[in-house]
Amino acid sequence: NAGVMQNPRHLVRRRGQEARLRCSPMKGHSHVYWYRQLPEEGLKFMVYLQKENIIDESGMPKERFSAEFPKEGPSILRIQQVVRGDSAAYFCASSPRGLGEPQHFGDGTRLSIL
Amino acid sequence: SQQGEEDPQALSIQEGENATMNCSYKTSINNLQWYRQNSGRGLVHLILIRSNEREKHSGRLRVTLDTSKKSSSLLITASRAADTASYFCASPAGANSKLTFGKGITLSVRP
Repeated sequence: NAGVMQNPRHLVRRRGQEARLRCSPMKGHSHVYWYRQLPEEGLKFMVYLQKENIIDESGMPKERFSAEFPKEGPSILRIQQVVRGDSAAYFCASSPRGLGEPQHFGDGTRLSIL
Repeated sequence: SQQGEEDPQALSIQEGENATMNCSYKTSINNLQWYRQNSGRGLVHLILIRSNEREKHSGRLRVTLDTSKKSSSLLITASRAADTASYFCASPAGANSKLTFGKGITLSVRP
């Protein structure tokens, strides 16, 4: 049973470009969470989605960031017009029921902004 | 806001010794979870303790929870070099199940 798959593992963008990060949850999991981690820091919650619905986006910056989890296909975290401060590791996690049970994490996408 | 705060920030021990890591939290919880993160990798869930439990074991791991002090501890017995990693405590926040993490503890186990 494959775990949470994130791609790409590393992504380099120039300031002003768009970054698209993909996450395929574990089979049977319909709850997806995105977190951001800065060096030497813990993970900070960004957004929580269930198939086709955004449940909680309280951790998402109001501008330039968006997320979706379509009925078919992976969840996408999209960052438009990237800036240097967007450089971080972005982690996706999934769970089967979204009731506070343990989450399964991917290995992250490391985004570097030139 | 940060829910979990781990202590110490860094811990270096010899292989075979025990490692104790502490976590304090601010608001009431339904459960508290401990995760491990190896360098360059995602988090791996280690153990979950519910608010009505005081102690839980899993292999070489022992977790305690003191809700009156809003604190938890993770004990790793007979540590191995492979235990070298960062350890985080986290709890589901609010009505949704998003996890709120502390900054983590960096554990180094010397061979």
